Amino acid sequence: QKEVEQDPGPLSVPEGAIVSLNCTYSNSAFQYFMWYRQYSRKGPELLMYTYSSGNKEDGRFTAQVDKSSKYISLFIRDSQPSDSATYLCGSRAFGNEKLTFGTGTRLTIIP
Amino acid sequence: GAVVSQHPSRVICKSGTSVKIECRSLDFQATTMFWYRQFPKQSLMLMATSNEGSKATYEQGVEKDKFLINHASLTLSTLTVTSAHPEDSSFYICSAPEGGHYGYTFGSGTRLTVV
Repeated sequence: QKEVEQDPGPLSVPEGAIVSLNCTYSNSAFQYFMWYRQYSRKGPELLMYTYSSGNKEDGRFTAQVDKSSKYISLFIRDSQPSDSATYLCGSRAFGNEKLTFGTGTRLTIIP
Repeated sequence: GAVVSQHPSRVICKSGTSVKIECRSLDFQATTMFWYRQFPKQSLMLMATSNEGSKATYEQGVEKDKFLINHASLTLSTLTVTSAHPEDSSFYICSAPEGGHYGYTFGSGTRLTVV
């Protein structure tokens, strides 16, 4: 079993829809959770990071972590064609700099 | 925000030659640099972790003599693919944690094609 599981998609939604991206993890030591966006042939860029459980909002993006169920979510409101990319969730434990990534979900927003 | 500058963005080389990829941290000191490899439509595969002034730590299955990593200063880490073969063709990306920041900054990636 991989430490971080993510549905690879692809996921296609119409412009303006709310997008829900999810990951599950198995390592109870994970404390930090991140979402990255990666456009084709580019390096990933950090979208959101959270520590432990809870919600964090930044513009159209909301990250949620539920440590009790080991579930990580990213919501995108009012989705735009420019949001079309691969989204990677990542986690790490306290005191360990090594990030563990999910496989990434390919998202396409249809105009 | 923190920036990691990665060069070259694209390189094509002949089989048997060596290629060097550089990652520089701008505006912050990168004591640690992670090197990843990514195949098309797949996730990031960690190859090795480099620390300034010490030997790199390689992940299981990664050939140390094939992928030479040097982290000679707090702002520069390099990956050299030695005696490259077509199966080494891939997208290579570096990443560094910025001090006090929980997220990591990635380079823009290098697409290596070995012909």
